[in-house]
Amino acid sequence: KAGVTQTPRYLIKTRGQQVTLSCSPISGHRSVSWYQQTPGQGLQFLFEYFSETQRNKGNFPGRFSGRQFSNSRSEMNVSTLELGDSALYLCASSLGPSGRAGDTQYFGPGTRLTVL
Amino acid sequence: QQQVKQSPQSLIVQKGGISIINCAYENTAFDYFPWYQQFPGKGPALLIAIRPDVSEKKEGRFTISFNKSAKQFSLHIMDSQPGDSATYFCAASMSGDYKLSFGAGTTVTVRA
Repeated sequence: KAGVTQTPRYLIKTRGQQVTLSCSPISGHRSVSWYQQTPGQGLQFLFEYFSETQRNKGNFPGRFSGRQFSNSRSEMNVSTLELGDSALYLCASSLGPSGRAGDTQYFGPGTRLTVL
Repeated sequence: QQQVKQSPQSLIVQKGGISIINCAYENTAFDYFPWYQQFPGKGPALLIAIRPDVSEKKEGRFTISFNKSAKQFSLHIMDSQPGDSATYFCAASMSGDYKLSFGAGTTVTVRA
């Protein structure tokens, strides 16, 4: 079974631009979560989607948004990029129907975003 | 505000030694505690996980010890190998919250 795939793997943008990152979950998984990883803040939760509905959102500004499609694929968008948005953006998928803690999350390799 | 505090930030251990990483949490609603292993250029991968109704769980060379009253849990890596050199994250989650709260991570280096 193929793992979580994320595209692109690397991105370089300039301040003020916007960016869209894509995530394809493991086949059969309906929950997709996004995390930001930086050396200073570690792994921070962005949002989680299940069946095209956002079930939880982390403490990030409104410039960060996401969506999920009917095939469970997900995208996240960052508008008006700032230098501090440079990070590894990780997507994780899980089966997710119940929301019970313990539903294993499988992470993709991430998209490395650099903002200049 | 970090909901899960992890220590140490880094550690070096000789091949065959024991690596111990500690985590503490405050939120008693957490009911699932996984450990993730991350190699450079890769996403985190689930290593082992425990629920608060169990005090210890062992899988191969990896053991989680859980102390519910102290709100602490730890990862022990026995017979450490160079291939174990990675960053380890503890995490916690609660039912209905749909997210993992991660510790800051511990970089483990195993010297041959």
